[in-house]
Amino acid sequence: DGGITQSPKYLFRKEGQNVTLSCEQNLNHDAMYWYRQDPGQGLRLIYYSQIVNDFQKGDIAEGYSVSREKKESFPLTVTSAQKNPTAFYLCASSSLTGEQFFGPGTRLTVL
Amino acid sequence: GQQVMQIPQYQHVQEGEDFTTYCNSSTTLSNIQWYKQRPGGHPVFLIQLVKSGEVKKQKRLTFQFGEAKKNSSLHITATQTTDVGTYFCAGWEYGNKLVFGAGTILRVKS
Repeated sequence: DGGITQSPKYLFRKEGQNVTLSCEQNLNHDAMYWYRQDPGQGLRLIYYSQIVNDFQKGDIAEGYSVSREKKESFPLTVTSAQKNPTAFYLCASSSLTGEQFFGPGTRLTVL
Repeated sequence: GQQVMQIPQYQHVQEGEDFTTYCNSSTTLSNIQWYKQRPGGHPVFLIQLVKSGEVKKQKRLTFQFGEAKKNSSLHITATQTTDVGTYFCAGWEYGNKLVFGAGTILRVKS
């Protein structure tokens, strides 16, 4: 089955810790995206990558970092610099037609 | 930057009633997409509209793209409990970013 996987589903972090969220796709898509979802605020773009070894900041990149060493993988690190990291994080990839396919998401809670 | 506004924020309807959500962009869009997110789930692509004035139907769902390509609507006829969720519109900036509206939460009372 083709699709996007994210792990873990739930993640708990102590203040001051960095955590890395995994995102893997086997859809052979070049473009991948990370969004943050907070209640009532829709989806906000954190980072996106159009091709391997290249990525761009989205609207709320501060406190986050990414890498794109392989076409299939686009991990997101939430650093201790992110002031309010508790949220639902969604990874997506897009086809050439622009349709976005989302993973199941990771719920991050800072304790 | 581009902004996409969506109204209403929330709507609670009786099963069988119709439902409409509206999307307005501050700039002209190259195309617009609609997604549905079930409670506890992730967004799932519904449709993409590209042409000015385009109307597309999927069973009880009707999607419209405005003549100026700055607004869009999703209308559901005779809602069912399976329609429950949040409906998002999203517009592509002329570039590489998809800008999402805040979504409309639909609740259906049976």
